[in-house]
Amino acid sequence: EAEVAQSPRYKITEKSQAVAFWCDPISGHATLYWYRQILGQGPELLVQFQDESVVDDSQLPKDRFSAERLKGVDSTLKIQPAELGDSAMYLCASSLARGELFFGEGSRLTVL
Amino acid sequence: AQRVTQPEKLLSVFKGAPVELKCNYSYSGSPELFWYVQYSRQRLQLLLRHISRESIKGFTADLNKGETSFHLKKPFAQEEDSAMYYCALRGPNAGKSTFGDGTTLTVKP
Repeated sequence: EAEVAQSPRYKITEKSQAVAFWCDPISGHATLYWYRQILGQGPELLVQFQDESVVDDSQLPKDRFSAERLKGVDSTLKIQPAELGDSAMYLCASSLARGELFFGEGSRLTVL
Repeated sequence: AQRVTQPEKLLSVFKGAPVELKCNYSYSGSPELFWYVQYSRQRLQLLLRHISRESIKGFTADLNKGETSFHLKKPFAQEEDSAMYYCALRGPNAGKSTFGDGTTLTVKP
Protein backbone atom coordinates (compact mmCIF):
# COMPACT_ATOMS: atom_id res chain seq x y z
CA GLU A 1 0.00 0.00 0.00
CA ALA A 2 1.34 3.41 -0.99
CA GLU A 3 2.30 5.71 1.87
CA VAL A 4 3.59 9.24 2.36
CA ALA A 5 7.29 9.15 3.19
CA GLN A 6 9.02 11.71 5.39
CA SER A 7 12.59 12.18 6.57
CA PRO A 8 14.23 12.56 8.94
CA ARG A 9 12.01 11.04 11.61
CA TYR A 10 13.84 12.93 14.33
CA LYS A 11 16.01 16.03 14.24
CA ILE A 12 17.77 17.74 17.12
CA THR A 13 19.39 21.06 16.39
CA GLU A 14 20.58 24.16 18.14
CA LYS A 15 18.83 27.46 17.75
CA SER A 16 19.99 29.59 14.83
CA GLN A 17 20.87 26.48 12.81
CA ALA A 18 19.17 25.53 9.56
CA VAL A 19 16.98 22.43 9.28
CA ALA A 20 15.23 20.79 6.36
CA PHE A 21 12.50 18.19 6.09
CA TRP A 22 11.64 16.12 3.06
CA CYS A 23 8.34 14.62 1.97
CA ASP A 24 7.47 12.21 -0.83
CA PRO A 25 3.68 12.06 -1.33
CA ILE A 26 1.65 9.17 -2.66
CA SER A 27 2.14 8.88 -6.40
CA GLY A 28 -0.52 10.77 -8.32
CA HIS A 29 -1.55 13.01 -5.42
CA ALA A 30 -1.49 16.55 -6.73
CA THR A 31 -2.15 18.22 -3.40
CA LEU A 32 0.57 18.27 -0.74
CA TYR A 33 0.35 19.79 2.71
CA TRP A 34 2.83 20.64 5.47
CA TYR A 35 1.37 20.82 8.95
CA ARG A 36 3.01 21.72 12.26
CA GLN A 37 1.76 20.03 15.39
CA ILE A 38 2.79 21.40 18.76
CA LEU A 39 2.44 19.00 21.68
CA GLY A 40 -1.14 18.96 22.95
CA GLN A 41 -2.54 20.73 19.91
CA GLY A 42 -3.98 19.71 16.58
CA PRO A 43 -2.13 19.97 13.27
CA GLU A 44 -1.86 23.54 11.94
CA LEU A 45 -1.49 24.06 8.20
CA LEU A 46 1.72 25.77 7.20
CA VAL A 47 1.55 25.44 3.43
CA GLN A 48 -0.58 23.72 0.80
CA PHE A 49 0.60 22.95 -2.72
CA GLN A 50 -1.43 22.11 -5.79
CA ASP A 51 1.13 20.48 -8.07
CA GLU A 52 4.10 22.87 -7.85
CA SER A 53 2.05 25.95 -6.94
CA VAL A 54 1.43 27.27 -3.44
CA VAL A 55 -2.30 27.68 -2.82
CA ASP A 56 -2.17 28.61 0.86
CA ASP A 57 0.81 29.72 2.92
CA SER A 58 -1.01 32.21 5.11
CA GLN A 59 0.27 30.63 8.33
CA LEU A 60 3.84 30.05 7.17
CA PRO A 61 6.33 32.30 9.03
CA LYS A 62 7.97 33.46 5.85
CA ASP A 63 10.84 35.25 7.55
CA ARG A 64 12.32 31.90 8.52
CA PHE A 65 10.33 29.13 6.83
CA SER A 66 10.34 28.21 3.17
CA ALA A 67 8.77 25.36 1.25
CA GLU A 68 9.14 24.17 -2.29
CA ARG A 69 7.78 21.48 -4.55
CA LEU A 70 9.78 22.10 -7.68
CA LYS A 71 8.56 19.32 -9.95
CA GLY A 72 5.19 18.91 -8.35
CA VAL A 73 6.20 15.66 -6.68
CA ASP A 74 8.34 15.66 -3.54
CA SER A 75 8.69 18.66 -1.28
CA THR A 76 11.13 20.25 1.14
CA LEU A 77 10.33 22.42 4.14
CA LYS A 78 13.21 24.52 5.47
CA ILE A 79 13.65 26.51 8.64
CA GLN A 80 16.48 29.03 8.90
CA PRO A 81 17.30 30.01 11.56
CA ALA A 82 15.56 27.61 13.91
CA GLU A 83 14.14 29.03 17.14
CA LEU A 84 13.22 27.30 20.39
CA GLY A 85 9.52 27.73 19.60
CA ASP A 86 9.89 25.71 16.41
CA SER A 87 10.13 22.48 18.40
CA ALA A 88 7.19 20.44 17.12
CA MET A 89 6.14 17.56 14.90
CA TYR A 90 6.14 18.46 11.21
CA LEU A 91 3.59 16.43 9.29
CA CYS A 92 3.34 16.03 5.56
CA ALA A 93 0.12 14.88 3.93
CA SER A 94 -1.11 14.38 0.40
CA SER A 95 -4.47 13.95 -1.25
CA LEU A 96 -6.32 13.68 -4.50
CA ALA A 97 -8.44 16.69 -5.44
CA ARG A 98 -11.28 16.29 -2.95
CA GLY A 99 -10.13 13.20 -1.15
CA GLU A 100 -9.02 12.41 2.33
CA LEU A 101 -5.61 13.43 3.61
CA PHE A 102 -2.96 10.72 3.83
CA PHE A 103 -0.34 11.55 6.42
CA GLY A 104 3.29 10.64 6.79
CA GLU A 105 4.78 9.55 10.09
CA GLY A 106 6.08 13.03 10.74
CA SER A 107 9.43 14.62 11.54
CA ARG A 108 9.94 15.52 15.17
CA LEU A 109 12.09 18.62 15.63
CA THR A 110 13.76 19.56 18.89
CA VAL A 111 15.52 22.91 19.04
CA LEU A 112 17.97 23.34 21.92
CA ALA B 1 -12.36 32.10 9.43
CA GLN B 2 -12.79 28.39 9.98
CA ARG B 3 -12.42 26.94 13.45
CA VAL B 4 -12.88 23.51 15.03
CA THR B 5 -13.41 23.02 18.75
CA GLN B 6 -13.13 19.74 20.59
CA PRO B 7 -14.10 20.59 24.16
CA GLU B 8 -12.79 17.42 25.80
CA LYS B 9 -9.03 16.83 25.91
CA LEU B 10 -9.49 13.49 27.64
CA LEU B 11 -12.37 11.02 27.67
CA SER B 12 -12.41 7.76 29.55
CA VAL B 13 -15.12 5.09 29.35
CA PHE B 14 -15.45 1.43 30.24
CA LYS B 15 -15.57 -1.28 27.60
CA GLY B 16 -19.11 -1.76 26.35
CA ALA B 17 -20.25 1.73 27.33
CA PRO B 18 -21.45 4.27 24.78
CA VAL B 19 -19.02 6.97 23.78
CA GLU B 20 -19.50 10.40 22.23
CA LEU B 21 -16.65 12.68 21.18
CA LYS B 22 -17.81 16.24 20.66
CA CYS B 23 -16.86 18.49 17.78
CA ASN B 24 -18.17 21.98 17.09
CA TYR B 25 -17.17 24.09 14.15
CA SER B 26 -17.33 27.64 12.92
CA TYR B 27 -17.59 28.23 9.18
CA SER B 28 -19.69 30.47 6.99
CA GLY B 29 -20.71 28.14 4.22
CA SER B 30 -21.01 24.42 3.59
CA PRO B 31 -17.92 22.67 4.89
CA GLU B 32 -16.84 19.09 4.68
CA LEU B 33 -16.33 17.47 8.08
CA PHE B 34 -14.00 14.61 8.90
CA TRP B 35 -12.86 12.54 11.83
CA TYR B 36 -9.24 11.41 11.83
CA VAL B 37 -7.77 8.93 14.31
CA GLN B 38 -4.27 8.22 15.51
CA TYR B 39 -3.67 4.90 17.23
CA SER B 40 -0.57 4.39 19.35
CA ARG B 41 2.59 4.39 17.20
CA GLN B 42 0.63 4.80 13.98
CA ARG B 43 0.17 7.70 11.64
CA LEU B 44 -2.88 9.91 11.53
CA GLN B 45 -5.56 8.38 9.30
CA LEU B 46 -9.09 9.04 8.19
CA LEU B 47 -11.84 7.43 10.25
CA LEU B 48 -14.88 8.83 8.47
CA ARG B 49 -16.22 11.81 6.53
CA HIS B 50 -19.71 13.21 6.69
CA ILE B 51 -20.49 12.98 2.98
CA SER B 52 -20.02 9.21 2.96
CA ARG B 53 -22.53 8.71 5.78
CA GLU B 54 -20.87 5.37 6.57
CA SER B 55 -20.34 3.56 9.85
CA ILE B 56 -16.65 2.78 10.26
CA LYS B 57 -15.53 0.43 13.07
CA GLY B 58 -18.95 0.99 14.62
CA PHE B 59 -18.51 4.78 14.70
CA THR B 60 -20.99 7.21 13.18
CA ALA B 61 -21.10 10.98 13.00
CA ASP B 62 -23.96 13.21 11.96
CA LEU B 63 -23.49 16.72 10.69
CA ASN B 64 -25.86 19.08 12.49
CA LYS B 65 -25.75 22.37 10.61
CA GLY B 66 -28.13 24.07 13.03
CA GLU B 67 -25.87 23.36 15.99
CA THR B 68 -22.69 23.43 13.87
CA SER B 69 -21.64 20.12 15.36
CA PHE B 70 -20.22 16.84 14.10
CA HIS B 71 -20.10 14.58 17.14
CA LEU B 72 -18.59 11.10 16.85
CA LYS B 73 -20.54 8.27 18.46
CA LYS B 74 -20.21 4.58 19.12
CA PRO B 75 -22.80 2.59 21.08
CA PHE B 76 -20.41 0.05 22.59
CA ALA B 77 -16.79 1.09 23.03
CA GLN B 78 -13.99 -1.46 22.64
CA GLU B 79 -10.49 -1.36 24.12
CA GLU B 80 -9.01 -1.10 20.63
CA ASP B 81 -10.84 2.22 20.20
CA SER B 82 -8.36 3.84 22.58
CA ALA B 83 -6.65 6.50 20.48
CA MET B 84 -6.42 10.20 19.75
CA TYR B 85 -9.32 11.54 17.69
CA TYR B 86 -9.24 14.73 15.64
CA CYS B 87 -12.18 16.49 14.07
CA ALA B 88 -11.36 18.40 10.88
CA LEU B 89 -13.14 20.84 8.61
CA ARG B 90 -12.41 21.60 4.98
CA GLY B 91 -13.82 24.44 2.97
CA PRO B 92 -15.18 24.02 -0.55
CA ASN B 93 -13.01 23.47 -3.62
CA ALA B 94 -10.59 21.25 -1.70
CA GLY B 95 -9.45 24.19 0.38
CA LYS B 96 -7.62 24.34 3.67
CA SER B 97 -8.26 21.61 6.23
CA THR B 98 -8.48 22.86 9.82
CA PHE B 99 -8.10 20.47 12.74
CA GLY B 100 -9.31 20.57 16.31
CA ASP B 101 -6.90 19.97 19.18
CA GLY B 102 -7.99 16.37 19.57
CA THR B 103 -9.56 14.15 22.22
CA THR B 104 -7.70 11.26 23.79
CA LEU B 105 -10.11 8.38 24.26
CA THR B 106 -9.25 5.67 26.75
CA VAL B 107 -11.45 2.58 26.93
CA LYS B 108 -10.89 0.72 30.17
CA PRO B 109 -11.43 -3.05 30.48
